[in-house]
Amino acid sequence: NAGVTQTPKFQVLKTGQSMTLQCAQDMNHNSMYWYRQDPGMGLRLIYYSASEGTTDKGEVPNGYNVSRLNKREFSLRLESAAPSQTSVYFCASTMRGLLARGGSSSYEQYFGPGTRLTVT
Amino acid sequence: RKEVEQDPGPFNVPEGATVAFNCTYSNSASQSFFWYRQDCRKEPKLLMSVYSSGNEDGRFTAQLNRASQYISLLIRDSKLSDSATYLCVVNPGSSNTGKLIFGQGTTLQVKP
Repeated sequence: NAGVTQTPKFQVLKTGQSMTLQCAQDMNHNSMYWYRQDPGMGLRLIYYSASEGTTDKGEVPNGYNVSRLNKREFSLRLESAAPSQTSVYFCASTMRGLLARGGSSSYEQYFGPGTRLTVT
Repeated sequence: RKEVEQDPGPFNVPEGATVAFNCTYSNSASQSFFWYRQDCRKEPKLLMSVYSSGNEDGRFTAQLNRASQYISLLIRDSKLSDSATYLCVVNPGSSNTGKLIFGQGTTLQVKP
């Protein structure tokens, strides 16, 4: 199993350009998440999908959109990149979710390797 | 007030030392607690879950104090390879979405 994969690993954008970050998991997990990590700020949740077909805003959703394409894939789109979106982006997944059974599912989140995005 | 607070450090300790990190959380309804480890420029990975009775995994011991709403991580006999950032993580328990709240992390540097 590859676990959680993300593409691209690195990206440089100019202000105003758009791009989509791709994330896929092969663990049959129910929920998927997008975080950004900035120095001194920790991980902040951008958007999440608690089951296939649902998406919800997290702590810092402005400037982003997401698509839960199917159970495996969850993409993050920047429509008009801004320098404030320079960050490291992590995708994560967990068995927990709206369609998961009971309390036996672990809350452990598995992370992808991250995308380092610079907006100039 | 942040939902999960940690001292960012850095904690600089010599090899073989014992070091402890604390973390406080604000939501008394929080249900599950974890320590994640993050190496420089890598993704976070689960180090251990934290149970009410306390739990130990080799050189690592985690404790939970629900009354005072804090979690601790003790590392004994520190190794150079323990150098990393340790993230305190809380499940707020408000829904079954699997959401976790991450602290900003405590950086540990173990010196030879």
